[in-house]
Amino acid sequence: EVQLLESGGGLVQPGGSLRLSCAASGFTFSSYAMSWVRQAPGKGLEWVSAISGSGGSTYYADSVKGRFTISRDNSKNTLYLQMNSLRAEDTAVYYCAKNFLPGPGSSGWYGYWGQGTLVTVSS
Amino acid sequence: EIVMTQSPATLSVSPGERATLSCRASQSVSSNLAWYQQKPGQAPRLLIYGASTRATGIPARFSGSGSGTEFTLTISSLQSEDFAVYYCQQYNNWPGTFGPGTKVDIK
Repeated sequence: EVQLLESGGGLVQPGGSLRLSCAASGFTFSSYAMSWVRQAPGKGLEWVSAISGSGGSTYYADSVKGRFTISRDNSKNTLYLQMNSLRAEDTAVYYCAKNFLPGPGSSGWYGYWGQGTLVTVSS
Repeated sequence: EIVMTQSPATLSVSPGERATLSCRASQSVSSNLAWYQQKPGQAPRLLIYGASTRATGIPARFSGSGSGTEFTLTISSLQSEDFAVYYCQQYNNWPGTFGPGTKVDIK
């Protein structure tokens, strides 16, 4: 059974930093791209970042480029999101998701999701 | 970036009735479209990918159709557990983008 368990969310002041983790199990972690998708309170879904199975390729939404860094440790089956220079508009539930990529050039769909971790940016 | 729109924003349906949800892309995404269901306080769940392929474990009352820029999700006979928000997502290009969602509530 695929399981994704996020952690690391919390309250942080504007300009602060936070690192999210996502522990994966039930599948060959290194074989799959992974993504972070967020949802602001009462709003829709927004893709944030993705990383290839090897970790060699990373992708970012324009809204977080230069501030967030995605990484993975395949020996620990864990995905990370380092978030720096946080802003009020980054307040959201952050989900990690298992990416299915049908071919080159495609961003893929999200077959499995974690339960999410809430990040609140406020003074 | 491809912009996804969904209509209607809210759909009021009685249990047992058919629900038809629409999704439109600002440019062609071929059949690279997925649908998700999200209930309050829960993570989204994949329903459909490839515009019409049901994900594992998804009941047959859910069906998807369309290609290019126009897509439809049909729920043939609404069950109580189907009242939720439904999102479409294109994955033809980077970044993958979501529609704003359609809320299906009880009439």
